[in-house]
Amino acid sequence: QKEVEQNSGPLSVPEGAIASLNCTYSDRGSQSFFWYRQYSGKSPELIMFIYSNGDKEDGRFTAQLNKASQYVSLLIRDSQPSDSATYLCAVVGGPGNQFYFGTGTSLTVIP
Amino acid sequence: NAGVMQNPRHLVRRRGQEARLRCSPMKGHSHVYWYRQLPEEGLKFMVYLQKENIIDESGMPKERFSAEFPKEGPSILRIQQVVRGDSAAYFCASSLDREETQYFGPGTRLLVL
Repeated sequence: QKEVEQNSGPLSVPEGAIASLNCTYSDRGSQSFFWYRQYSGKSPELIMFIYSNGDKEDGRFTAQLNKASQYVSLLIRDSQPSDSATYLCAVVGGPGNQFYFGTGTSLTVIP
Repeated sequence: NAGVMQNPRHLVRRRGQEARLRCSPMKGHSHVYWYRQLPEEGLKFMVYLQKENIIDESGMPKERFSAEFPKEGPSILRIQQVVRGDSAAYFCASSLDREETQYFGPGTRLLVL
């Protein structure tokens, strides 16, 4: 079983809509969760991190964490074409408290 | 405050040559991670190092690949006798501590002819 799983997509949403990206993880003891964005041909860049159950908002981005169900999601409100990228979920957990990345979800925002 | 630096940004090698990729972590970071990303694929963990120590190399191919992070200077990922299948983007990331946020460098695109 993979430590972190994401739907690879592609996910397409119209401009202005809410994009919802989901990620599940296997280690119930995981404490730190991260979302990265990677544009084609570029390196991953951190969008936000979340440690506590519930929602964390930063501009148009909201991270949601549900430790009981072992999932973390990223909502992008008012999606823009410039949000088109691959979104990587990362979780700190496992036997050695390591950083595990999901394979990423490809998002396309259609103008 | 400079971010993670990698060089070269692009590297072309012929089959059988050696490739050396360098990574300078963010100032104050002593934890370095190397990842490989094949075209149209996800990020694959290769190796995690602290100064002068390899902590986890579970993602490194058993042959031809090695990594180091000396007391002074950048971390080096070395690929000996490169083959076409080594063509990929190699990303380095650094963090303040093991469980802290990883910040990525711009990557080195390796092309093996």
